[in-house]
Amino acid sequence: DTAVSQTPKYLVTQMGNDKSIKCEQNLGHDTMYWYKQDSKKFLKIMFSYNNKELIINETVPNRFSPKSPDKAHLNLHINSLELGDSAVYFCASSPTLGSINEQFFGPGTRLTVL
Amino acid sequence: DAKTTQPTSMDCAEGRAANLPCNHSTISGNEYVYWYRQIHSQGPQYIIHGLKNNETNEMASLIITEDRKSSTLILPHATLRDTAVYYCIVAAGGTSYGKLTFGQGTILTVHP
Repeated sequence: DTAVSQTPKYLVTQMGNDKSIKCEQNLGHDTMYWYKQDSKKFLKIMFSYNNKELIINETVPNRFSPKSPDKAHLNLHINSLELGDSAVYFCASSPTLGSINEQFFGPGTRLTVL
Repeated sequence: DAKTTQPTSMDCAEGRAANLPCNHSTISGNEYVYWYRQIHSQGPQYIIHGLKNNETNEMASLIITEDRKSSTLILPHATLRDTAVYYCIVAAGGTSYGKLTFGQGTILTVHP
């Protein structure tokens, strides 16, 4: 059983398009996150949600809109894709907000914008 | 969150202990030390965390100096599958809302 899953694994699209990445966790966790890993391999948090409520928004452009239909899902919608959005996007979850426990990461979605 | 400093890369022979150092001289009293690793093309994986005391689990040991300004992650018997980027992160529990700030990490290469 996959704890944190993401779809799709690879996404290739043209500049200006709108795309979504889906994330699901079956761990019963309250908190979910989106991270971006750029070409230089720096991994940076974008958003966190707790029980469907936005907690962290790390000055991400408003073209990025996370949506949490329930606490097991956190999807990422990106409007008007730009070349600089090309990166690997990781979803993660943790038991509770502010938990010192580990975060569980998904396998990542490699987004390539042409 | 306090910043961390790690060596860019390290090598280790298979079967030997891998000792990965981390400096976090500005760590606050409520900040924990976390270690994650990222194997090529995979998501980061939690290894261990600690506050003051040394910690051990099935994957590794974490040694934190008494002044908490540095720590060492020990993989007791490294295998080829331990080749990865290892990240040392300091973060507070409640106040950081789970925000992990990843640095450049240490590229550990385990060779036969």
